Amino acid sequence: KNQVEQSPQSLIILEGKNCTLQCNYTVSPFSNLRWYKQDTGRGPVSLTIMTFSENTKSNGRYTATLDADTKQSSLHITASQLSDSASYICVVSARNYGQNFVFGPGTRLSVLP
Amino acid sequence: GAGVSQSPSNKVTEKGKDVELRCDPISGHTALYWYRQSLGQGLEFLIYFQGNSAPDKSGLPSDRFSAERTGGSVSTLTIQRTQQEDSAVYLCASSLPGTSGGGRDTQYFGPGTRLTVL
Repeated sequence: KNQVEQSPQSLIILEGKNCTLQCNYTVSPFSNLRWYKQDTGRGPVSLTIMTFSENTKSNGRYTATLDADTKQSSLHITASQLSDSASYICVVSARNYGQNFVFGPGTRLSVLP
Repeated sequence: GAGVSQSPSNKVTEKGKDVELRCDPISGHTALYWYRQSLGQGLEFLIYFQGNSAPDKSGLPSDRFSAERTGGSVSTLTIQRTQQEDSAVYLCASSLPGTSGGGRDTQYFGPGTRLTVL
């Protein structure tokens, strides 16, 4: 069964600190993996997209890694800001044709002053 | 428009009624997706439109759910004979088609429609 798991479920950090969010998946055949940020009451916003051959990708203070062998990905946030408080969702695409995405449950990040 | 818009933002209906949810994608985006997000759950893929191709309906949970996309732009998601378990936020996203396929195109999400079935 195609599944995406994320950990931790929720995380609280102080402003300025770094944090790392984890994503494990059993989706096959793998096409690509995306990280989204979803603010409360808003739609998700794409942060990164990685294919099988990419093992790291950065977007400002966000750096995503992918290990396709172990089927794990991480999202590292550097020098967190209050505006980083949101849910971070890992999404894996199972095939190249069509758009059958498998979404993780998300990690709820709270950044405190 | 500047982004993906959805209407209504909130919809409360009675069990057994039909509802229609609307999505206006970003102009020029040929790909359109519908998702459902239940409270505390991850997003669930429902249906995907790409240009004039037959839609990918593999995510629709039952035959009570259907969607249309007229003129390659606006899309309507229809839920017939609504049930309480249909209560969720329904999100629409659009994107440009990826030139290499494989779904690398970035999706832009609308704010969603919160559906409550009483």
